[in-house]
Amino acid sequence: SQTIHQWPATLVQPVGSPLSLECTVEGTSNPNLYWYRQAAGRGLQLLFYSVGIGQISSEVPQNLSASRPQDRQFILSSKKLLLSDSGFYLCALGRSGTQYFGPGTRLLVL
Amino acid sequence: DQQVKQNSPSLSVQEGRISILNCDYTNSMFDYFLWYKKYPAEGPTFLISISSIKDKNEDGRFTVFLNKSAKHLSLHIVPSQPGDSAVYFCAASARGNTPLVFGKGTRLSVIA
Repeated sequence: SQTIHQWPATLVQPVGSPLSLECTVEGTSNPNLYWYRQAAGRGLQLLFYSVGIGQISSEVPQNLSASRPQDRQFILSSKKLLLSDSGFYLCALGRSGTQYFGPGTRLLVL
Repeated sequence: DQQVKQNSPSLSVQEGRISILNCDYTNSMFDYFLWYKKYPAEGPTFLISISSIKDKNEDGRFTVFLNKSAKHLSLHIVPSQPGDSAVYFCAASARGNTPLVFGKGTRLSVIA
């Protein structure tokens, strides 16, 4: 069965600093990968998804970007964090129409 | 425009009784529906799904019902247990591995 790793688990960053969140998956090949954000008291917002290496689709315009340098690696980045970037970031992989989520990274921007 | 709606932000149920969580959708292209359970500071866990060719799917204490004409689905939990207390998200997709569209979630509290 597949495993999804996310790190770090928690991150506190100042406004204007860069960001890099990493997601790696095991036990599967050529997965569809997704980044979601859950802001406090809100639902799950799809940020990016990728169907293969170097292929990224963006769902919402914002100061975040994503990259997929390897088949099982998905990275979420920002050059300059905003206060509104605070939230719980979730990586997910898709298989047979179902998505399976990683443990998440809690980001607090101060 | 919210394509998947969970109109009840919260629900309280006594232990042992039935919990019914509701979800409405607007996109008639959706053909696959899922329910996820989420505890604080954890990723959502897949619970149960249903394809549009069915109107009911059951897995242990969890049953999902789909009413395509009303564009409505519901999750029934019987009997409810305190460990079921969590946020439940409804999600939908069209044609396979397209991104899921999530509702905003319903917080279920099961009171002992």
